[in-house]
Amino acid sequence: LAKTTQPISMDSYEGQEVNITCSHNNIATNDYITWYQQFPSQGPRFIIQGYKTKVTNEVASLFIPADRKSSTLSLPRVSLSDTAVYYCLVGGGYNFNKFYFGSGTKLNVKP
Amino acid sequence: DAGVTQSPTHLIKTRGQQVTLRCSPKSGHDTVSWYQQALGQGPQFIFQYYEEEERQRGNFPDRFSGHQFPNYSSELNVNALLLGDSALYLCASSFAGLAGTTGGELFFGEGSRLTVL
Repeated sequence: LAKTTQPISMDSYEGQEVNITCSHNNIATNDYITWYQQFPSQGPRFIIQGYKTKVTNEVASLFIPADRKSSTLSLPRVSLSDTAVYYCLVGGGYNFNKFYFGSGTKLNVKP
Repeated sequence: DAGVTQSPTHLIKTRGQQVTLRCSPKSGHDTVSWYQQALGQGPQFIFQYYEEEERQRGNFPDRFSGHQFPNYSSELNVNALLLGDSALYLCASSFAGLAGTTGGELFFGEGSRLTVL
């Protein structure tokens, strides 16, 4: 049963790059790694997903080492609107493998 | 293209009552998952439905039950409500297809806020 561990909170300033690391020591072979962003009283919103190595899209990058026991979400040049809770999930894959949320990282971006 | 829609958005119940929450998945999606999110905590997986059957279940009592309809929409039912059932209930949809592969993106609705008094 894969579970995740993330820092409870992080502070940053506008324009900085933010890296949030997630540990998932018991990740299974068919688990994907997915990151979501959530604002208060809203549903989580997909940011990025990967299986191994590096994935990049228009909003973030995801770095996954070869052993896949951790992953790092990188947010370039954050703004005040990036203040939210960020969740690292492992799961998915075949056979309806479910996704597990961790407790999330509260990112606070300051002006 | 409508995303995931949930109803009602807010509701208040008293202990012992029963509640039904509804979810319409994103167009083209065939799988619905339900999550419970208590205040200040991460979402907890309740169960997942595909082809009108429960495929996976989290650590929730039998008071929590669900259903998926032929049009892929879904309901979450909670019986004998407890104070601790107060939470935001989130529905997420995805496409699994014949292979049952749920590695794709989960699309979430805005949730139904349940308050039990």
